[in-house]
Amino acid sequence: DQQVKQNSPSLSVQEGRISILNCDYTNSMFDYFLWYKKYPAEGPTFLISISSIKDKNEDGRFTVFLNKSAKHLSLHIVPSQPGDSAVYFCAASEATDSWGKLQFGAGTQVVVTP
Amino acid sequence: ETGVTQTPRHLVMGMTNKKSLKCEQHLGHNAMYWYKQSAKKPLELMFVYNFKEQTENNSVPSRFSPECPNSSHLFLHLHTLQPEDSALYLCASSGAGTIFGYTFGSGTRLTVV
Repeated sequence: DQQVKQNSPSLSVQEGRISILNCDYTNSMFDYFLWYKKYPAEGPTFLISISSIKDKNEDGRFTVFLNKSAKHLSLHIVPSQPGDSAVYFCAASEATDSWGKLQFGAGTQVVVTP
Repeated sequence: ETGVTQTPRHLVMGMTNKKSLKCEQHLGHNAMYWYKQSAKKPLELMFVYNFKEQTENNSVPSRFSPECPNSSHLFLHLHTLQPEDSALYLCASSGAGTIFGYTFGSGTRLTVV
């Protein structure tokens, strides 16, 4: 049973515009959410996270929004740059899991065009 | 060397072969994980080790056998694999608490022929 879902397998966006990546989850016990970025032939790298006590977290060009009632989070990248072309994974964890075991979505491939 | 290191980067093996994947971390983390990434699918958690003890086996077939001799090293022993086991195998480590997230290795691209 997939608890974290990224329903858009791919996204194409023009350089300088906003990229919006969406993620839905089903487990109401999740209370910590992360986004990872993955380039080909490399492992995923941590990008940004948000705790369930917040609804927004911003880090430079990256902002994550959390809507707990809708069990939905999104990642905004603005402005998008060619180096942002990668696969983005949404991940979630439960507070009761002290070791932070993460459940991942299937990923969204972002392509930023000049 | 810092971070999480996985070897080999690429592996091609026959269905009757026995091979091992290696993962090493020097981050002082106490938890290590094996994940499988197949095309267009979520990262699938395979095994979790905390302080060298296996705390989770996510219904993984016995042809995959993990070994964690210490908190810095993790192996995945492979034998009699099937072509559908071809995937990217990722190792990750973490410290206590969700706030730290994972640090991933670059993965081993496995092809079973």
